[in-house]
This record gives sequence, structure tokens and C-alpha cells, in this order.
Amino acid sequence: DTGVSQDPRHKITKRGQNVTFRCDPISEHNRLYWYRQTLGQGPEFLTYFQNEAQLEKSRLLSDRFSAERPKGSFSTLEIQRTEQGDSAMYLCASSPLGSGRYNEQFFGPGTRLTVL
Amino acid sequence: QKEVEQNSGPLSVPEGAIASLNCTYSDRVSQSFFWYRQYSGKSPELIMSIYSNGDKEDGRFTAQLNKASQYVSLLIRDSQPSDSATYLCAVSGNQFYFGTGTSLTVIP
Repeated sequence: DTGVSQDPRHKITKRGQNVTFRCDPISEHNRLYWYRQTLGQGPEFLTYFQNEAQLEKSRLLSDRFSAERPKGSFSTLEIQRTEQGDSAMYLCASSPLGSGRYNEQFFGPGTRLTVL
Repeated sequence: QKEVEQNSGPLSVPEGAIASLNCTYSDRVSQSFFWYRQYSGKSPELIMSIYSNGDKEDGRFTAQLNKASQYVSLLIRDSQPSDSATYLCAVSGNQFYFGTGTSLTVIP
């Protein structure tokens, strides 16, 4: 399967702990996006990378959140000192660049985070 | 005002009917428009993209864009029970915004 993959699929943690999620995009895709989605809401943009460069970060993203894409392939999203309000589905998406279909994003299955 | 607005529904249509889903957006510099389908507990799946004014058809799906009115819609012809899902409108301009989605139920 050459789609977007995310790991883990589910994560339960206690408040105050740090968590890290991984995303592997579709191999030929240059752009990678992170979103957060809560029940009844649409995905909320967090950040995106073009290759290894983080080009945009939502102003809604607190300093507890950090994302990396060190070699322009997989990406990690870390949440430090988790809070109950961080409980959500964290979605990763990727898209090609320069194909004439920019910003067509393809989503992975998501990581569901529960903070107790 | 939200960047992307959709009626949350639920929208119910009988099997075989046309389902019409609507979306408005606030950012006039928006350039790309997308419709995603999301089944309960699953991630969004891209079903249509549209970039210029007018209609774009793909199988049973037709996307319509009117940039002057800042309006984009999705028509689903011959609706099937398997079309029952939440439909998300997404808009790309200076940032990427999703609406909250419209829940569609197709009644057999």
C-alpha cells in the first residue's frame, strides 16, 4: 500500500506526558500537512512542510506542539505536557508539488489521542 | 465569520435522488476548492477538486464553483446508501481551511 501511513493509530496518555506521532507520506509527495480534528468539527490546520522546510505554522498552535521533517520524508509531531484539551484525532496528509494539482491532499488514517 | 461555512445538516435524501451540498467561503484570494467525504471514525477522502468557475463532473459527482459569489457546491446524482457520510468543503488560499461538514444520509 503506497498511501499515507500514521503511527500509532491510537494513543492514551496521562495529562502532563509528552507524546510523539509519526507520519509517512506518499513517497513522491513533497508537501506534508498536519491537522487536528475534534468531534463534529472539520480538520484544523496545524502546519505544513515542503520537503524538509516548515513553511507555515498555525497561530493557533501553542508552543507545546512541534513538528519536524528532517530528511524531507517522514514527519513527527510532538506534543509536550499534554492537556485534556489535546484529545483529538491528529491527521497527516501529503500532496504532490508541481503536478498542476497543488494542494490536493491525501490523508492518512489518523492517530487518535486520548489524554486522561 | 468562519472562513468556510457549511450547513451541518443532517441532510436526508431517498436513494436515487440528487443530493446538493453547499459551501461558502470568506477569503477572496482563495484559489483551490475541494470536497472530501468522511465516514464516521475514518479520515477524509478526496472526491473532487475544482479551480475555475463553472462545473466539473466526475462520475456521479459534480462540483460547481462561483468565485464572484464565493460559493462552491457538490451535487451527487443517483445517491446510494454508501454515500451516507459527512462531506467536508475545503478551501486553499493563504491558508488551508475546512468547513465543519454536512452530514448526508441516503435512505434506502
